[in-house]
Amino acid sequence: GQNIDQPTEMTATEGAIVQINCTYQTSGFNGLFWYQQHAGEAPTFLSYNVLDGLEEKGRFSSFLSRSKGYSYLLLKELQMKDSASYLCAAPDAGNNRKLIWGLGTSLAVNP
Amino acid sequence: NAGVTQTPKFRVLKTGQSMTLLCAQDMNHEYMYWYRQDPGMGLRLIHYSVGEGTTAKGEVPDGYNVSRLKKQNFLLGLESAAPSQTSVYFCASRLGQETQYFGPGTRLLVL
Repeated sequence: GQNIDQPTEMTATEGAIVQINCTYQTSGFNGLFWYQQHAGEAPTFLSYNVLDGLEEKGRFSSFLSRSKGYSYLLLKELQMKDSASYLCAAPDAGNNRKLIWGLGTSLAVNP
Repeated sequence: NAGVTQTPKFRVLKTGQSMTLLCAQDMNHEYMYWYRQDPGMGLRLIHYSVGEGTTAKGEVPDGYNVSRLKKQNFLLGLESAAPSQTSVYFCASRLGQETQYFGPGTRLLVL
């Protein structure tokens, strides 16, 4: 079967760095997405990793290890506005027109 | 570009009533999706479409029907609403294997 796991909740302090992990089990691999979702709003795209390694986009970076079935989202210089849910998703190996979604990690940034 | 829009934004129904949720996208995307999001359940795929005139079931299709008569529109129908269908409904569209873009969501309360 296919499954995506990520921690339910995390807490961090403004200005700090936080790493949100995502592990996935799939019979095939076609990339991994990260989305951000603020309370009461729609998910918005953050990153898409297909190859191993770290991709940096401003304060946010995403890492992928295909051999380990593991990804993480790294948020630096945390701001209060980064308080949100972070969703990990991967194309369904049996039908890559669909995405398999994790349940999301709710991040609270405290002053 | 408006991106993905959803109508209505909020609706209250009585059990047994019917309604249609409209999703429209102006990005010429082939794929469109309807999700529901409930606390602790994450995003669950209801139905999706890979092109005009085609639809397919997702993981939670019971109680819902869809139609994609025009490429830019994807309609989600509830023939006889039930309290279990109280949820936030998100529409999304996607071009090939690229990221999904979400609409702002429809909040539905079934009494």
